[in-house]
Amino acid sequence: EPEVTQTPSHQVTQMGQEVILRCVPISNHLYFYWYRQILGQKVEFLVSFYNNEISEKSEIFDDQFSVERPDGSNFTLKIRSTKLEDSAMYFCASRETGARSNTEAFFGQGTRLTVV
Amino acid sequence: AQSVSQHNHHVILSEAASLELGCNYSYGGTVNLFWYVQYPGQHLQLLLKYFSGDPLVKGIKGFEAEFIKSKFSFNLRKPSVQWSDTAEYFCAVNVRATSGTYKYIFGTGTRLKVLA
Repeated sequence: EPEVTQTPSHQVTQMGQEVILRCVPISNHLYFYWYRQILGQKVEFLVSFYNNEISEKSEIFDDQFSVERPDGSNFTLKIRSTKLEDSAMYFCASRETGARSNTEAFFGQGTRLTVV
Repeated sequence: AQSVSQHNHHVILSEAASLELGCNYSYGGTVNLFWYVQYPGQHLQLLLKYFSGDPLVKGIKGFEAEFIKSKFSFNLRKPSVQWSDTAEYFCAVNVRATSGTYKYIFGTGTRLKVLA
């Protein structure tokens, strides 16, 4: 069964450093998401991406965050200068159909980011 | 604002006990509802989904959920849990944003522990 894969599974970084979280969505999927879950809190929407541009982003997704699909297979989330409060589990997800259709998303296993 | 509430944060059951996890959402428009499960160290997996039709939906591993529109609820049930059901369970609503695209809104999750 095809699945969304994320690397690394765990990343520890120092405050102020840049991190890049990587995701390989399911190959025929068109619509991509990043979500995060701070320990003990709900899963929060960060950003959606379709047709090589951001479709929607939340207030969490400020100028420190960016997303990219550099080579047609990877989908990356970059945090430019990490803060302690960026420590969370980050989930990537992809969907088969386009932005205006409604199908379920498939999630990766998550990357646990720890900022020290 | 749109939100999803899961009232039970931690549930501990013995094997063969019945399970019901509550989920209520706050959204006035048409919703699509999901339950996802996350086993330790694994990705979010879809348990079941409701788009339309019969409000009682059956999912994998013996789980079912009932959509009650008047109560804005989508509770998850299983008549007899097993030790292998130990996991975290997330209720989610897929809503259509003003941009016309869809995004998921998750509840805080319920951590289920089943004692052998």
